[in-house]
Amino acid sequence: EVQMVESGGGLVQPGGSLRLSCVVSEFTFSSYWVSWVRQAPGKGLEWVANIKQDASEKNYLDSVKGRFTISRDNAKNSLYLQMNSLRAEDTAVYYCTRVDCSSTSCYFDNWDQGALVTVSS
Amino acid sequence: QSVLTQPPSVSGAPGQRVTISCTGSSSSIGAGYDVHWYQHLPGTAPKLLIYGNNNRPSGVPDRFSASKSDTSASLAITGLQADDEADYYCQSYDGSLRAYVFGSGTEVTVL
Repeated sequence: EVQMVESGGGLVQPGGSLRLSCVVSEFTFSSYWVSWVRQAPGKGLEWVANIKQDASEKNYLDSVKGRFTISRDNAKNSLYLQMNSLRAEDTAVYYCTRVDCSSTSCYFDNWDQGALVTVSS
Repeated sequence: QSVLTQPPSVSGAPGQRVTISCTGSSSSIGAGYDVHWYQHLPGTAPKLLIYGNNNRPSGVPDRFSASKSDTSASLAITGLQADDEADYYCQSYDGSLRAYVFGSGTEVTVL
């Protein structure tokens, strides 16, 4: 069974930084795209960023471009999200997900339990 | 505001059939991008329910089915059970936004 364990959430002041980490097991991490998806309080799910198997391609939601950086370490089976210049609207539960694809679009086939990031003074 | 539109809530009695619609646009579902569906109980990890418009991952009961047509898609739950109470989200890709997009979410209540 795929395991994904996230850490690094917490309370941070507006303008501050936080780094999320996700360690995976029970699948070949280096063979998959992986992604971050978030859910703000009382809101729906929102894709944040994804990264290719060899980290040669990264994509971001427009509202986080230039502030968030997704990265991975295949030797450590780990995914990261460095979040800088945090805003109140970034407050959400952040999920680490594995990505798979159908014929025309990709989807998130495994999720971790999520970590709460709260941006508040 | 979500790119894909879903009804906020649907409800049904145990054993009944309910459907959830997901309406996109010419740059998302209408552009030919597949639709996927998730079940989410608050406080837990979302679960993939349907991928590639109408495929169920191993372990998902055949009470769940889905379809796609033009710029919209729908999820059907037959034989509604108490543990089907959850939030359900559709998801696709938007070629104009160049982003993966989710629906606004639908809360299913079993009466």
